[in-house]
Amino acid sequence: GQQVMQIPQYQHVQEGEDFTTYCNSSTTLSNIQWYKQRPGGHPVFLIQLVKSGEVKKQKRLTFQFGEAKKNSSLHITATQTTDVGTYFCASPTNAGNNRKLIWGLGTSLAVNP
Amino acid sequence: EADIYQTPRYLVIGTGKKITLECSQTMGHDKMYWYQQDPGMELHLIHYSYGVNSTEKGDLSSESTVSRIRTEHFPLTLESARPSHTSQYLCASSEAYVGNSPLHFGNGTRLTVT
Repeated sequence: GQQVMQIPQYQHVQEGEDFTTYCNSSTTLSNIQWYKQRPGGHPVFLIQLVKSGEVKKQKRLTFQFGEAKKNSSLHITATQTTDVGTYFCASPTNAGNNRKLIWGLGTSLAVNP
Repeated sequence: EADIYQTPRYLVIGTGKKITLECSQTMGHDKMYWYQQDPGMELHLIHYSYGVNSTEKGDLSSESTVSRIRTEHFPLTLESARPSHTSQYLCASSEAYVGNSPLHFGNGTRLTVT
């Protein structure tokens, strides 16, 4: 079935270092959403990318959607301890009317102060 | 922040008990969902609803049931809790079908069955 592969599964960085997580699919994605889940919390929507090659920025976060719409990335510049959490990508299934989201396994980010 | 509420926040219950996890949203969203998530793991869709009197099972087999009698309310019931049901249950809603609008999650219910 349709899958979204997310790497890496875990990442430890020193505060101030950059961080990137990647989502890849073997099939073309209609769009991709990114969520952040703080430890003990619930997923919070960050952004949605729809267009081929789209790049969006939110302060230190940069989101990209590949030209072929088969991959996406989230890059954090100069990480802070507030960035700690698990970052998930999710994309609607190709079958049906966009009725379900396929979730990546998430990338857990730890930041050493 | 989204207006979607789950109660209780934490629940410890013995095997065989019947429990209902509550979820309410004040945004008037037709689409609502229940996800199950073990700590630090992926999200599994267990139930969803596209409107009143409409419910469907998700991708992960679950012994729970749901009802949608009112737009704002989407409770999940376990008739007989078992230790294998220990997990976090997250309720969510969306304005449109997923893929067209984001999911808004509640704070979750952490269930422990002893």
